[in-house]
Amino acid sequence: NAGVTQTPKFQVLKTGQSMTLQCAQDMNHNSMYWYRQDPGMGLRLIYYSASEGTTDKGEVPNGYNVSRLNKREFSLRLESAAPSQTSVYFCASIGQASGANVLTFGAGSRLTVL
Amino acid sequence: AQSVTQPDIHITVSEGASLELRCNYSYGATPYLFWYVQSPGQGLQLLLKYFSGDTLVQGIKGFEAEFKRSQSSFNLRKPSVHWSDAAEYFCAVGRNDMRFGAGTRLTVKP
Repeated sequence: NAGVTQTPKFQVLKTGQSMTLQCAQDMNHNSMYWYRQDPGMGLRLIYYSASEGTTDKGEVPNGYNVSRLNKREFSLRLESAAPSQTSVYFCASIGQASGANVLTFGAGSRLTVL
Repeated sequence: AQSVTQPDIHITVSEGASLELRCNYSYGATPYLFWYVQSPGQGLQLLLKYFSGDTLVQGIKGFEAEFKRSQSSFNLRKPSVHWSDAAEYFCAVGRNDMRFGAGTRLTVKP
């Protein structure tokens, strides 16, 4: 049981390049999330998908797009990377645990934009 | 919109001392509340959660938290801190739209 798998773990981009972060979960969860983590800022929600076929903006969606490809997969795309997008990105999904929504996180993807 | 405030950016305690990490939230309905811990270079691990019922909840690693609706708080406590508790702690609130505080970094002195 792999849980939440993100790829790549590390990536270096130049300003203006594009890339896609991939996320897959094998727990049959309906909701999936993308967060970014920056020092002193905690985790900030970029986008989430409450169910297959739906996506919603979080706190910091500008500069990102997402695709909920199917129930398992939720990708995050940077169309034109900027240095301000240097961060650690976490994918997560929600499943029921004792009646409450509990997030399960991936291991994170460290992105550096030069 | 919901939000979470963790007033303490960094706390240092001596090993064996008690610990309390503060969390205040803003949420329109009855919240689901969580505490997560993150060790350096690691992902986030759930410590405990509150969704209803008893306002004092027990978690893993000897942690507990108390939900106080009147104060919009969900503070995390541990009676005796161990060196291995040094990490960053995040409070979170929400249901489908989960929001996190900025985190409190805990340092444990020998």
